[in-house]
Amino acid sequence: HSVLTQPPSVSGAPGQRVTISCTGSNSNLGAGYDVHWYQQLPGTAPKLLIYGNNNRPSGVPDRFSGSKSGTSASLAITGLQAEDEADYYCQSYDNTLSASTYVFGTGTKVTVL
Amino acid sequence: EVQLVESGGTVVQPGGSLRLSCTASGFIFSNYWMSWVRQAPGKGLEWVANIKQDGSEKYYVESVKGRFTISRDNAKNSLYLHMNSLRAEDTAVYFCARDKAWAYYLDYWGQGTLVAVSS
Repeated sequence: HSVLTQPPSVSGAPGQRVTISCTGSNSNLGAGYDVHWYQQLPGTAPKLLIYGNNNRPSGVPDRFSGSKSGTSASLAITGLQAEDEADYYCQSYDNTLSASTYVFGTGTKVTVL
Repeated sequence: EVQLVESGGTVVQPGGSLRLSCTASGFIFSNYWMSWVRQAPGKGLEWVANIKQDGSEKYYVESVKGRFTISRDNAKNSLYLHMNSLRAEDTAVYFCARDKAWAYYLDYWGQGTLVAVSS
C-alpha cells in the first residue's frame, strides 16, 4: 500500500492554478528524503516532472513547480492547459527498520474543465 | 536519446514463471542503477526492485521477495526480471526505469509490458 497520500482528484479551468498535496511521515519526507513528481498521460508511461523537491528536468515547462516542508510536499500547476490532464504521482524513499524502499503516492487525477 | 524497451509480458497461469527484459540505448547502461516499477490495472505505481551498476546490490519490495529476481547483462545493455510463483495480484504493466539511486528517483521510463496472471 502507498505510504504517501494524495487527493484522488483535482480540477481547474484553463489558465487557473491547481495544487496537489503529498503527505508522508517521519520515515520518508520527514526524514529528509526528497520528493519527486511524475506525470502520466492517459495510456502512457510515467514521465519525470520534478526531482529533488523543486527541480525541473530539461523540457518541463516552468508552469510546474514543487515544494516540500516537513512531512508534506506539493506540486503546483499554474496556467493550467488542456494537455496537463493526466495522473500525477509523488515519490520518495522510505527508510524503516524493517525495509527501505522507493515509495509512490496514491496518485491524483487532474481534470481540466 | 535515452530509450528503454520492455518485452516478455504475456498471460501466465497462477504459480507460473516469466522473464521480463528491458533493452537500453542512448546512455552508458553500465553506469546506472536500474529499477522495475509496476502498475496494476487502474491502480497506482509500485516500485518492485532495483539493481546496482555491477549487479552486486539488489533490493526488492517485500511482496516479491523470494519470488522475483532482478538481474542485468551490461554487455547486452539489458535488464531482466525473473518472476516465479506468480499470483493474480502480480497482474500489472511492468516498467523498467533508469534509477538515479544516489538521489532516489527514476529519470527515464520504458513504455511497459503487461503481465496477466490468470487461469
